Amino acid sequence: DTAVSQTPKYLVTQMGNDKSIKCEQNLGHDTMYWYKQDSKKFLKIMFSYNNKELIINETVPNRFSPKSPDKAHLNLHINSLELGDSAVYFCASSPRTGWMETQYFGPGTRLLVL
Amino acid sequence: GENVEQHPSTLSVQEGDSAVIKCTYSDSASNYFPWYKQELGKRPQLIIDIRSNVGEKKDQRIAVTLNKTAKHFSLHITETQPEDSAVYFCAASINFNKFYFGSGTKLNVKP
Repeated sequence: DTAVSQTPKYLVTQMGNDKSIKCEQNLGHDTMYWYKQDSKKFLKIMFSYNNKELIINETVPNRFSPKSPDKAHLNLHINSLELGDSAVYFCASSPRTGWMETQYFGPGTRLLVL
Repeated sequence: GENVEQHPSTLSVQEGDSAVIKCTYSDSASNYFPWYKQELGKRPQLIIDIRSNVGEKKDQRIAVTLNKTAKHFSLHITETQPEDSAVYFCAASINFNKFYFGSGTKLNVKP
């Protein structure tokens, strides 16, 4: 089941470091998303890209910067990591924006900031 | 923006009983409502969805109902089994390009 894949699966790092999480989908979808799931399991959208173009940028610190080199990839770079960034980050994709299609989630990246 | 509330946060039922999870949303423009199941340590997976032009949808032991006037929708699981134990999320979509999730319901089915 590798339709939407993320690397790494686990990430443990020190406060203040910079880290990246990568996401790739092989479904041919146009739209990709990043979600943050906190310790209380609440899923919150962070970013959405449609065909490499940013279409949603929720209230997220500018330490978080998404990058989409092509429509199959959406990476998330985090600068100056803070304790509160510890969470599970899920990437997702859907066929296209504007269609009532649901999303396919990646396996998640468990980030722990010490 | 949209606000989705989900209740209860935890639900414990005996195997074979029914389980009902309820969600409300705030924006009447929402027109697509998926439900996701997330097993421990795994990704959320779609189990059923409903669109605003439909009041009810059923898939085997799972059904979803939508009341647009009251702005609430519910997930019904009948004849629950231990493998139904998971966290369930509702979501509401506005203009099909944003998904707002509820806070999740941890369902425990006791054998």
